[in-house]
Amino acid sequence: EPEVTQTPSHQVTQMGQEVILRCVPISNHLYFYWYRQILGQKVEFLVSFYNNEISEKSEIFDDQFSVERPDGSNFTLKIRSTKLEDSAMYFCASSGKRARSEPQHFGDGTRLSIL
Amino acid sequence: GIQVEQSPPDLILQEGANSTLRCNFSDSVNNLQWFHQNPWGQLINLFYIPSGTKQNGRLSATTVATERYSLLYISSSQTTDSGVYFCAVGYGQNFVFGPGTRLSVLP
Repeated sequence: EPEVTQTPSHQVTQMGQEVILRCVPISNHLYFYWYRQILGQKVEFLVSFYNNEISEKSEIFDDQFSVERPDGSNFTLKIRSTKLEDSAMYFCASSGKRARSEPQHFGDGTRLSIL
Repeated sequence: GIQVEQSPPDLILQEGANSTLRCNFSDSVNNLQWFHQNPWGQLINLFYIPSGTKQNGRLSATTVATERYSLLYISSSQTTDSGVYFCAVGYGQNFVFGPGTRLSVLP
């Protein structure tokens, strides 16, 4: 069964540095998402992406964050000037033709630790 | 925005027991999924169930969309069932996750 893959599985970064989290969605999917889970808390929506642009974003997704689909297969989340509170698990997800009524498939996550 | 509640927040079971987890949501949705988060943090998709009933081995789920709730049944629980169970409901293009039910199955 096709999977969403995320790299790296764990990223350790100094506060103030930029970090890029990478995802390879399922190949025929059209909708892509990033979510965040701070340790011990629930999973929170960050952003959805369709047709090479952001289609929806949450209040968490401020100017510090950006997303990109640079080459037709990867989907990246960039965090500029990381803060301690950015430490969390970041999940990428993708869904097929109609985001509103199709299941989302999640990757295994990238655990980001900001020192 | 839409609110999602899950109950109970914590559940401790003896191996072999059955359990029912509940998810309530405050508005109409067109997507609902149940996930199991294992001790390594992975989100394992259990069911895609915007309505109706599904079964997969010892697990089954029912969603009554008109009454805005979903139930996850776990029968003959095993220690490997331990972890956090999330329901997530979809409207628009984002998912709203509930706070989860933390299940501990004791040997």
